[in-house]
Amino acid sequence: ELKVEQNPLFLSMQEGKNYTIYCNYSTTSDRLYWYRQDPGKSLESLFVLLSNGAVKQEGRLMASLDTKARLSTLHITAAVHDLSATYFCAVDRPGSARQLTFGSGTQLTVLP
Amino acid sequence: DVKVTQSSRYLVKRTGEKVFLECVQDMDHENMFWYRQDPGLGLRLIYFSYDVKMKEKGDIPEGYSVSREKKERFSLILESASTNQTSMYLCASRFRGGYTFGSGTRLTVV
Repeated sequence: ELKVEQNPLFLSMQEGKNYTIYCNYSTTSDRLYWYRQDPGKSLESLFVLLSNGAVKQEGRLMASLDTKARLSTLHITAAVHDLSATYFCAVDRPGSARQLTFGSGTQLTVLP
Repeated sequence: DVKVTQSSRYLVKRTGEKVFLECVQDMDHENMFWYRQDPGLGLRLIYFSYDVKMKEKGDIPEGYSVSREKKERFSLILESASTNQTSMYLCASRFRGGYTFGSGTRLTVV
């Protein structure tokens, strides 16, 4: 059974600081996703990581994937208040429908 | 852009009622999914469908059923709503590049 563990679950950080969210998964998968969710809203796709060593960056967010370690990281650089949201990682399950298994989410609050 | 539309944003239903949550996608995708989201638990898969009239149970199917009579529409049915089904329900459609999620239905069962 595929399990996805995300940590930390809660993160308060000051504006301008850097931090990393970690996502570990238990079995082999060839796709890892990062999503952002604002309160009361749906999920917004941030990154899709397809291969070992993949790195993608968008603004102050950078995601990487190490398939051998079954680990993905979402690094936040010089945080700003607008980044406050809940971040989820999710992994494709093997099989034709490839349904997603999600981590529990990291609730990020960026303080002034 | 793919659009996934959930018909209701908020619903309040009584215990024991039969509840229908509707989801429509506009891009002819084969795979559609229903998740529920609860604080601290992330999103958990209820049911999914990989074609018309084809469905499979996810991780937490108890108390739910689904219907997919047309490719664009995937319905989640709560046969007899209970208070522990109070949650946010998210529908998703899969395409080659990933998934698109609907805006969610917040269901309260009283």
